[in-house]
Amino acid sequence: GQQVMQIPQYQHVQEGEDFTTYCNSSTTLSNIQWYKQRPGGHPVFLIQLVKSGEVKKQKRLTFQFGEAKKNSSLHITATQTTDVGTYFCAGQGYSGAGSYQLTFGKGTKLSVIP
Amino acid sequence: GAVVSQHPSWVICKSGTSVKIECRSLDFQATTMFWYRQFPKQSLMLMATSNEGSKATYEQGVEKDKFLINHASLTLSTLTVTSAHPEDSSFYICSASSSGSFSYEQYFGPGTRLTVT
Repeated sequence: GQQVMQIPQYQHVQEGEDFTTYCNSSTTLSNIQWYKQRPGGHPVFLIQLVKSGEVKKQKRLTFQFGEAKKNSSLHITATQTTDVGTYFCAGQGYSGAGSYQLTFGKGTKLSVIP
Repeated sequence: GAVVSQHPSWVICKSGTSVKIECRSLDFQATTMFWYRQFPKQSLMLMATSNEGSKATYEQGVEKDKFLINHASLTLSTLTVTSAHPEDSSFYICSASSSGSFSYEQYFGPGTRLTVT
């Protein structure tokens, strides 16, 4: 079945440093979504990427979808303490018989040291 | 806009009893609702997808007779954990979408912490 690997599992950065998390799927995806979960909170949708090679930006966050639509990355420039949380990717892929499957990565937990 | 509520936010029950968790979309009609389970320090795991007025679609490995899902209206879905065991203790999160597929945003509820003693 479809598998989504996300690395790294944990990342500690000094405030102001950049941060990147990577997501790789075992199968070609129709789209990929990114979520952020603050400590003690619930996941919040950040963005969805659909097109091959797509790049989208939200302020200091840059999201990329690979040309083969099997990998994606989230890059945060100049991290701030408000960026703390766990970032999940979720890949949607065709699972046969006309149905799609959404698989979450295990998440990358970001800690920002002030 | 796009607020999803869950009730209760936490519940403690004894082994063998059943627990019902409600998921409501407060300001939009949710064609589809999703139920997830999250173990400590782990990723969300999709349990089932429910569409209003039809039977839920369960992910492989999820017991449909144990986790009963009812999506009775466009604003309410319920998950009932029947004959709960301590291994059912977990964080259960629902999400709602105004679309019938994953291709649209999902709005997540705040989650329900279930502890089975």
